Amino acid sequence: EVQLLESGGGLVQPGGSLRLSCAASGFTFSSYAMTWVRQAPGKGLEWVSGISGSGGGTYYADSAKGRFTISRDNLENTLYLQMNSLRAEDTAVYYCAKDSLYFYGMDVWGQGTTVTVSS
Amino acid sequence: QSALTQPRSVSGSPGQSVTISCTGTSSDVGGYNYVSWYQHHPGKAPKLMIYEVTKRPSGVPDRFSGSRSGNTASLTISGLQAEDEADYYCCSYAGSYSYVFGIGTKVTVL
Repeated sequence: EVQLLESGGGLVQPGGSLRLSCAASGFTFSSYAMTWVRQAPGKGLEWVSGISGSGGGTYYADSAKGRFTISRDNLENTLYLQMNSLRAEDTAVYYCAKDSLYFYGMDVWGQGTTVTVSS
Repeated sequence: QSALTQPRSVSGSPGQSVTISCTGTSSDVGGYNYVSWYQHHPGKAPKLMIYEVTKRPSGVPDRFSGSRSGNTASLTISGLQAEDEADYYCCSYAGSYSYVFGIGTKVTVL
């Protein structure tokens, strides 16, 4: 069974940093691109960042460019999101998702980890 | 990239049909055959319901169907059931490995 388990969320002050992790199991992790999506309180889903299976390609929403870094460890089957210079508007539940091999989109999601940026 | 437009809420009685629209542009919904729909029960992991505009993953009931006309995609739930009550999000590939989601629609089963 494919499973994605996010961790690393918490309370951080504006301007601070946080690293999210997503532990993957049940599939050949290195074969799949992965994605981070977030949902701010009372808002819809927002695509944040994606990374190719090898890690050689990384992609960011404008809201994340220059502040967030996506990476992966294919030996540890883990996806990461390093978030720096955090702002109040980054407060959200962050989901990791596995991309499909057969279409542009995500086919399996984790349950999310909550990030709160507040002083 | 602006969020795709969805109605905030739709409702129906058990057994009825509801349709959720998802309006974008020719740079996303109208430009690629990569519109997906996700069901999200709060606190749970979102679930893929439709991909490539009209296709259903195995295990998703055939009560769920997708379509598109121009820059507007739609999700129809036929034979509405209590467990269908959830938030639904459309998502479109928008080129250069980027995606745009809809604002989400709350489906209420009366």
